[in-house]
Amino acid sequence: LAKTTQPISMDSYEGQEVNITCSHNNIATNDYITWYQQFPSQGPRFIIQGYKTKVTNEVASLFIPADRKSSTLSLPRVSLSDTAVYYCLGTGGGNKLTFGTGTQLKVEL
Amino acid sequence: NAGVTQTPKFQVLKTGQSMTLQCAQDMNHNSMYWYRQDPGMGLRLIYYSASEGTTDKGEVPNGYNVSRLNKREFSLRLESAAPSQTSVYFCASSSPRPPGLGEETQYFGPGTRLLVL
Repeated sequence: LAKTTQPISMDSYEGQEVNITCSHNNIATNDYITWYQQFPSQGPRFIIQGYKTKVTNEVASLFIPADRKSSTLSLPRVSLSDTAVYYCLGTGGGNKLTFGTGTQLKVEL
Repeated sequence: NAGVTQTPKFQVLKTGQSMTLQCAQDMNHNSMYWYRQDPGMGLRLIYYSASEGTTDKGEVPNGYNVSRLNKREFSLRLESAAPSQTSVYFCASSSPRPPGLGEETQYFGPGTRLLVL
């Protein structure tokens, strides 16, 4: 499983776009990049998954460059309710997930 | 659909007591998991079950046992609780996606907060 590195915390204001970058230098050929979101006192929730280039859904966009050694989760126009911990995981070839400490995003007015 | 449900929501135990955490899913998923999350930490896998009738150890299995009772239910048992097992326990489930459509994603329950005194 890929080891991922991401910032411990980020601060933003409502209405801004937030980009959280994750480094995964040893990602395997068959690994996908998956992001989960966790609110306080809740279990993690799947946000988005991608293999390469760009993936967009109703919640976020995920950018993965050609070398796949990093990825960027983009949250457009964040609100207070986006305050959460965001986890970047390399997933592939099985169902064991390795969660790091994630990025604590704090959104203020 | 209730998704993944866990009982109890909160439990206090004394050192040496035993208890079973219950988990059920109604999404017809094949795989189920138990994680623990300590304050300020990410989740660590305790045990998982890839299918009914099979279980495997995760990263931190010591002090725990599991039972995959049927496809819906996966329980976690602490035979002799220790203060080091104070944590929040999450159950999750998943199923594989069709080839080429990405890796399976996990759906998590609301968690059980366990305090061992």
